[in-house]
Amino acid sequence: DVKVTQSSRYLVKRTGEKVFLECVQDMDHENMFWYRQDPGLGLRLIYFSYDVKMKEKGDIPEGYSVSREKKERFSLILESASTNQTSMYLCASSRPRASYNEQFFGPGTRLTVL
Amino acid sequence: TQLLEQSPQFLSIQEGENLTVYCNSSSVFSSLQWYRQEPGEGPVLLVTVVTGGEVKKLKRLTFQFGDARKDSSLHITAAQPGDTGLYLCAHGGGGADGLTFGKGTHLIIQP
Repeated sequence: DVKVTQSSRYLVKRTGEKVFLECVQDMDHENMFWYRQDPGLGLRLIYFSYDVKMKEKGDIPEGYSVSREKKERFSLILESASTNQTSMYLCASSRPRASYNEQFFGPGTRLTVL
Repeated sequence: TQLLEQSPQFLSIQEGENLTVYCNSSSVFSSLQWYRQEPGEGPVLLVTVVTGGEVKKLKRLTFQFGDARKDSSLHITAAQPGDTGLYLCAHGGGGADGLTFGKGTHLIIQP
């Protein structure tokens, strides 16, 4: 079974702090994704990566950056956390050239920015 | 962005009842996926529907893709408390692109 793990389940940070959210998958998937999930807004794509050192902006990339130095690891970076970045962050991965882009999700990190 | 509208937004029913939730769009899709998300966890893929009119069954869950491939439904027979969760439909462009999700149906099955 695919396993996607995220470094923390819960995280509390202060406004202005630099925040790193890490995601690791163990199935040799090329594609990795970061979403955020908010009540009333659903899941929205922040960034994705289809290969090491490659990254593409999703629908809401402002205020975020990403790093993919190794195939299995995809990091989301909040350069200067703000209260409107309080959210549930979900990492996902998928097989290369997956026919229907079926994705496997981690358990999520609930981030609170005070 | 092709929008997915899910209804109802919230549904609370008693154990043993049947229910149907819907995922609708004005766009035609090559495929649609259904995920279930339990509280505090990430979404888990249930099924992908591909062909117009297709019906797929997963135990007590029946998924249907509309003939015109613009909508999909999920029917649960004899709902159990373990069916409680957020049901999400999604579509993707294939390849490395991310998925676009509906906002989901929050389902509560009361014992």
